[in-house]
Amino acid sequence: AQSVTQLGSHVSVSEGALVLLRCNYSSSVPPYLFWYVQYPNQGLQLLLKYTTGATLVKGINGFEAEFKKSETSFHLTKPSAHMSDAAEYFCAVSVSGNQFYFGTGTSLTVIP
Amino acid sequence: AAGVIQSPRHLIKEKRETATLKCYPIPRHDTVYWYQQGPGQDPQFLISFYEKMQSDKGSIPDRFSAQQFSDYHSELNMSSLELGDSALYFCASSLKLIGGLHTDTQYFGPGTRLTVL
Repeated sequence: AQSVTQLGSHVSVSEGALVLLRCNYSSSVPPYLFWYVQYPNQGLQLLLKYTTGATLVKGINGFEAEFKKSETSFHLTKPSAHMSDAAEYFCAVSVSGNQFYFGTGTSLTVIP
Repeated sequence: AAGVIQSPRHLIKEKRETATLKCYPIPRHDTVYWYQQGPGQDPQFLISFYEKMQSDKGSIPDRFSAQQFSDYHSELNMSSLELGDSALYFCASSLKLIGGLHTDTQYFGPGTRLTVL
C-alpha cells in the first residue's frame, strides 16, 4: 500500500528565505512522486514530478525536489520565497500511474 | 494548451437531492479520475475509468455512480445528497502509453465546488 506523510501542516517563511516542505512516502514498489500546488479556490497545478532517472528534479516557479530512496523522502525546496508562493502544497505518490495518494497538504505562508 | 474542463464550477443543492458533475479530459486522454476534497483535507480518490470501463475504485459511496462516455468525458452522479458531501470535486485525466502503462502524470481540472444545504 502507498501513503504519504507531509510534516508540518503550516509553514511560514520570510520573503526571500529558503522554502522547505517535507514529504515522506511509503510504497512497496518504486513510486512515482509528485508535488502539486493549490491556490485558494483553484485546482491542483503540477509543480514537478519524479518517475525515473535523475533524483533531483526541477519544476516550475523555481521549485525543485530530490528523491532520496534511502530516506523515502521527496522534500520540496525553493531557494528564495516569493509572496506569490503562498498556497497549499500537496505531495502525492502513485504506482504505475494509477490512483494518486495525497498527503494532507502543507499551507505555506510568506511573510513580507 | 487545452486543460481538463469541469462543469459546473459551483453547485448548490438541498439534502436528498441529486447532482451531476461533468468532466471533459484533455484531448486524446483516455483515462479519467475523480477525487473528493473536503474542507481543509487532501484529495481522496473516488473512482477512475479507462476506455469507458471502470478501472479502479476508491472511497466512493454507494450513493454515487460514474461513467465514461464514448467521447471520453465522464459524469459523476450523486444521489440522496448529504451535508457531508459538500466538498470540492476534482477530475483528472491521463493518457495510456503504448505497452499498457498509464502516463505518469494526472492533470487536474479546476474542480466543482458542491455545497449541500
